[in-house]
Amino acid sequence: DVKVTQSSRYLVKRTGEKVFLECVQDMDHENMFWYRQDPGLGLRLIYFSYDVKMKEKGDIPEGYSVSREKKERFSLILESASTNQTSMYLCASRRRGEYEQYFGPGTRLTVT
Amino acid sequence: AQRVTQPEKLLSVFKGAPVELKCNYSYSGSPELFWYVQYSRQRLQLLLRHISRESIKGFTADLNKGETSFHLKKPFAQEEDSAMYYCALSDRGSGGGADGLTFGKGTHLIIQP
Repeated sequence: DVKVTQSSRYLVKRTGEKVFLECVQDMDHENMFWYRQDPGLGLRLIYFSYDVKMKEKGDIPEGYSVSREKKERFSLILESASTNQTSMYLCASRRRGEYEQYFGPGTRLTVT
Repeated sequence: AQRVTQPEKLLSVFKGAPVELKCNYSYSGSPELFWYVQYSRQRLQLLLRHISRESIKGFTADLNKGETSFHLKKPFAQEEDSAMYYCALSDRGSGGGADGLTFGKGTHLIIQP
């Protein structure tokens, strides 16, 4: 079974803090994704990566950056957290050439 | 720009009744359509995709290119079907590339006993 893990299930940070969300997958997938999930808005793509050190902006990249130094790990960075970044963050991975994305359990981030 | 529309935020039906979750999309290329499901306290997981034309847990979905729809159906709802359902679109023309999915806003399905 594909396993996608995220470093924290719940996180509380203060406005202005730098926040790191970590995601690790164990199936050697090339592609990794970060989404945020908000009630009434569904899932929206923040960033994705198709290889180590490669990254592409998704639909809502503002206020976020990412890092992919190793194939299995994809980090989402909030340089200066703001209250409107309070959300559920989902990481996903996919093997190149296939369509199914495998999701992590999510990190619920609260910015106060 | 591609878009996925799920017109119902909430759908409540009785156990044993038919279920239809609506999904419409707009995309000019050759899309791949999916239904993802999230049960309470579980991670999001793939339910089915149009290209496989299979039935999963009694659910089916047919891609209607003329109506640009991909509605999810089940003839007899069960209580364990209660969950959040998301319709999603991927650009098949990208050859299964790295592009992320475009999701609808989701429909919360509640099956009443």
